[in-house]
Amino acid sequence: QKEVEQDPGPLSVPEGAIVSLNCTYSNSAFQYFMWYRQYSRKGPELLMYTYSSGNKEDGRFTAQVDKSSKYISLFIRDSQPSDSATYLCAMITRGAAGNNRKLIWGLGTSLAVNP
Amino acid sequence: GAVVSQHPSWVICKSGTSVKIECRSLDFQATTMFWYRQFPKQSLMLMATSNEGSKATYEQGVEKDKFLINHASLTLSTLTVTSAHPEDSSFYICSAQRTGPYNEQFFGPGTRLTVL
Repeated sequence: QKEVEQDPGPLSVPEGAIVSLNCTYSNSAFQYFMWYRQYSRKGPELLMYTYSSGNKEDGRFTAQVDKSSKYISLFIRDSQPSDSATYLCAMITRGAAGNNRKLIWGLGTSLAVNP
Repeated sequence: GAVVSQHPSWVICKSGTSVKIECRSLDFQATTMFWYRQFPKQSLMLMATSNEGSKATYEQGVEKDKFLINHASLTLSTLTVTSAHPEDSSFYICSAQRTGPYNEQFFGPGTRLTVL
């Protein structure tokens, strides 16, 4: 079993739809959770960073963490064609040795928002 | 803030030559940088962790003599692919870790390497 599971999709939605992206994980030591967006042939861009259970909102994006279920979500409201990209979840344990903290990545979900 | 650049953005080279890729944190200092490679439609694969002033830590299966990493300053890390072969063709991405409460990683735009 992988430490982080993420459905690669592809996910196709009409413009304006609410998008729900999810990851599950098995390592209860993960304490920090991130969502990155990656456009084709570009480096990932950090969208959201959370460290506690609950919701965190930033504009049209809401990140949700449920540590009891080991489940994280990213919601995109009023989705736009410009949101079409691959969304990767990543997580990390707390208190990793030294300053080096390896991110554990999901496979990424490919999202297409159709006009 | 938190901008990371990579140079070059793409490179084509002949088999057997060496290629150097630079990763710079433009507006913050990074004691730690990471190098990843990514194949089409696959997730990021961590190759090595680069620490300023010390030797890099390589992931299992990554040849340290083939992928030379130098982190000479708090804003620059380089990855040199030595004696490149077609199987080294990939998308190479660096990230720089910003020191702080959460030690976020910020990524460069990536370098596409094609070895003929």
